[in-house]
Amino acid sequence: ETGVTQSPTHLIKTRGQQVTLRCSSQSGHNTVSWYQQALGQGPQFIFQYYREEENGRGNFPPRFSGLQFPNYSSELNVNALELDDSALYLCASSLEGRSSTGELFFGEGSRLTVL
Amino acid sequence: AQSVAQPEDQVNVAEGNPLTVKCTYSVSGNPYLFWYVQYPNRGLQFLLKYITGDNLVKGSYGFEAEFNKSQTSFHLKKPSALVSDSALYFCAVRTLTGANNLFFGTGTRLTVIP
Repeated sequence: ETGVTQSPTHLIKTRGQQVTLRCSSQSGHNTVSWYQQALGQGPQFIFQYYREEENGRGNFPPRFSGLQFPNYSSELNVNALELDDSALYLCASSLEGRSSTGELFFGEGSRLTVL
Repeated sequence: AQSVAQPEDQVNVAEGNPLTVKCTYSVSGNPYLFWYVQYPNRGLQFLLKYITGDNLVKGSYGFEAEFNKSQTSFHLKKPSALVSDSALYFCAVRTLTGANNLFFGTGTRLTVIP
């Protein structure tokens, strides 16, 4: 158990709809990162939030957006869903800064299916 | 640019035999290297990491990995495989300067045969 919780665990949407995924970070961590894992692939970095600000972004279009709240929890929003957005979305929690130990701790993921 | 290569999609090993899962990396600056394991329909579990110091690092469940700077490799090893080790293994790299996100390989599926 990492202490990182994600919701919902599974959801089904149709093309063009919008989705919000939620993540609660591990106690003591100040950073949340989001990854997309398509079937049979390794996780791909979407973006990272540190102290409520976006702190790096991967090669994902602007319809992927996020938020981090003062309690360090986070949301991932995806607008105008496409079939290729079907994937496991992983949230990772970490402590960044001088006290960083380097590793990320992952939640169990939210599996999104777009029909 | 950072990248990770896992040259084997699949590794099969008999129970009780030693196992190796290969990983090579490319990064600017000092690498921070990680191994994660993923069981079906689950998230990623941290196994071990190399930050600095001894090139042989030990992690969870009896796994270890050897950092080789000249070969830019970080192979995962275990002296005696268990059936329960069967899973998907990911190697990842990051730096703590500049972009501090993890770059993952494509994964290696390990099957331990009873």
